[in-house]
Amino acid sequence: EDQVTQSPEALRLQEGESSSLNCSYTVSGLRGLFWYRQDPGKGPEFLFTLYSAGEEKEKERLKATLTKKESFLHITAPKPEDSATYLCAVQAEGSQGNLIFGKGTKLSVKP
Amino acid sequence: SQTIHQWPATLVQPVGSPLSLECTVEGTSNPNLYWYRQAAGRGLQLLFYSVGIGQISSEVPQNLSASRPQDRQFILSSKKLLLSDSGFYLCAWSTITDTQYFGPGTRLTVL
Repeated sequence: EDQVTQSPEALRLQEGESSSLNCSYTVSGLRGLFWYRQDPGKGPEFLFTLYSAGEEKEKERLKATLTKKESFLHITAPKPEDSATYLCAVQAEGSQGNLIFGKGTKLSVKP
Repeated sequence: SQTIHQWPATLVQPVGSPLSLECTVEGTSNPNLYWYRQAAGRGLQLLFYSVGIGQISSEVPQNLSASRPQDRQFILSSKKLLLSDSGFYLCAWSTITDTQYFGPGTRLTVL
């Protein structure tokens, strides 16, 4: 069964304290791995798509990496406005667009 | 640029009442469209997806249904709501790149 597990469930950081979020996945064949940011009461906002092991993408203080079994979202020198829930999702080959989501990591950054 | 709209933003309905949620996309043609539900403490769950007008695929058997009367319009319906239908309903669209972009969501509370 295709599955996505995110850890930790919640993470509290001080402003400027770098850390990483983990997304472990089990899928028959990976078509793509997606990272989203979700603020309370709002729809998920797209961040990155990764397609193959070794691929990396960056956007401001965020960097996403991918291996054959997991993905990491690295947050460098976070600011309070980075506080949100970060969602990871995978799409299996031949799935016709079905994204399988993890439960998310809730990040809180204190000033 | 593409935009996605959902309405209503919030809805409180009694058990047994009907439901109609609407989603429209602007700035793109023939998108794939998706309905997800996000329940507290759970990941996003795909309910329905559509690759074209009148073409609906269901992922989870339940008392909900979906329709796509126009290319960029997707509707989620129910004839009789259950308490378990409460949640945050999200519509998303994608093109051949497979990245899904989400709308602002509808918060549904069934009492």
